[in-house]
Amino acid sequence: SQTIHQWPATLVQPVGSPLSLECTVEGTSNPNLYWYRQAAGRGLQLLFYSVGIGQISSEVPQNLSASRPQDRQFILSSKKLLLSDSGFYLCAWSRGRAVGGEKLFFGSGTQLSVL
Amino acid sequence: GENVEQHPSTLSVQEGDSAVIKCTYSDSASNYFPWYKQELGKGPQLIIDIRSNVGEKKDQRIAVTLNKTAKHFSLHITETQPEDSAVYFCAVLGRGGSEKLVFGKGTKLTVNP
Repeated sequence: SQTIHQWPATLVQPVGSPLSLECTVEGTSNPNLYWYRQAAGRGLQLLFYSVGIGQISSEVPQNLSASRPQDRQFILSSKKLLLSDSGFYLCAWSRGRAVGGEKLFFGSGTQLSVL
Repeated sequence: GENVEQHPSTLSVQEGDSAVIKCTYSDSASNYFPWYKQELGKGPQLIIDIRSNVGEKKDQRIAVTLNKTAKHFSLHITETQPEDSAVYFCAVLGRGGSEKLVFGKGTKLTVNP
């Protein structure tokens, strides 16, 4: 079976500090990978998605970046965090163009507080 | 791009009552419509989905109906229980090569014992 791991679960960072959130998927190959952000009381905002190693599409211009160094690893980074970067960050995966590829499976999320 | 509107934003019901959440979308070419449930502090989980070639789908106490002509779909929860309390999101698969889910803003459902 497939599993998705996301860490850390909570993170408190000062303004201007760097950020690195990591997500890994097990039990599948060549998944589509996604980073979403959920601000308090708001919906799910797609930040980045990737259909393969080194292939990153950005949905929202911001001071965040994403990288996919390995097939099942997706990393969200920032060089200098802003207060507005606070939120609940979710990693997700799908099978892409495979049968049932529309189904999105989410990790447990990282609650980021920038102070 | 695709636009998804979800209503209501909050819904409070008594245990045993039914709950209905509705979403409308803009792209008539969309053909996949999932619903996700998010419990506090957790990631959303897929609870039911429907494709455009089907008008209704049921899974125990949960059902989804789709009206392609009117471009809206709804989540129906019958015999609600306190554990149904959560935030529910609808989503639509965007077309035109995007292949990305566009989410509604969510509905916070509270089931009162």
